[in-house]
Amino acid sequence: DGGITQSPKYLFRKEGQNVTLSCEQNLNHDAMYWYRQDPGQGLRLIYYSQIVNDFQKGDIAEGYSVSREKKESFPLTVTSAQKNPTAFYLCASSRKTGTGELFFGEGSRLTVL
Amino acid sequence: GQNIDQPTEMTATEGAIVQINCTYQTSGFNGLFWYQQHAGEAPTFLSYNVLDGLEEKGRFSSFLSRSKGYSYLLLKELQMKDSASYLCAVRGNYGGATNKLIFGTGTLLAVQP
Repeated sequence: DGGITQSPKYLFRKEGQNVTLSCEQNLNHDAMYWYRQDPGQGLRLIYYSQIVNDFQKGDIAEGYSVSREKKESFPLTVTSAQKNPTAFYLCASSRKTGTGELFFGEGSRLTVL
Repeated sequence: GQNIDQPTEMTATEGAIVQINCTYQTSGFNGLFWYQQHAGEAPTFLSYNVLDGLEEKGRFSSFLSRSKGYSYLLLKELQMKDSASYLCAVRGNYGGATNKLIFGTGTLLAVQP
């Protein structure tokens, strides 16, 4: 079955450490996205990529970095520069055609100790 | 600026009908989405409206009025499993970005016996 796989599902990190969240899709979608979800707030866009080897900053990119070396993969690194990294992180992908709805992964919950 | 408003919480009774409203002010308009999200899980796509009117899909219907910047999600014959957050998201025209969505904060629906 096609879908989006995020790992790990739960992650604990000490302050000052970088951590990388994995996102892999086998839907053959061109576009991929990273969102952050906090209680009482809507999903906020961190980074997005419309094609391989290209990505753009979203609304809250500071303290994060991404790469898009393969169509299937869009890893997110949460760096020590991110001041409030504890959150639920969602990866998504979409087709260029049709309604373009987002297909989401199961999410990664990051807790900074 | 971009703004999407939804009620924070709603309560309804099993078997009843509930309407969840969403108003938006965005830079351009290129479609409105509704997603369902159970606690700790990924959002799943429910409906898409790009033209004015009602889209019906089983127990769920979604309505759009572009002139009023208004949409609603109608859930009929409520079931306990419908207890979840319902996210309204608008796709606008953001500098050529494809499928970039702005999300509301979500409406937490509690279905009671």
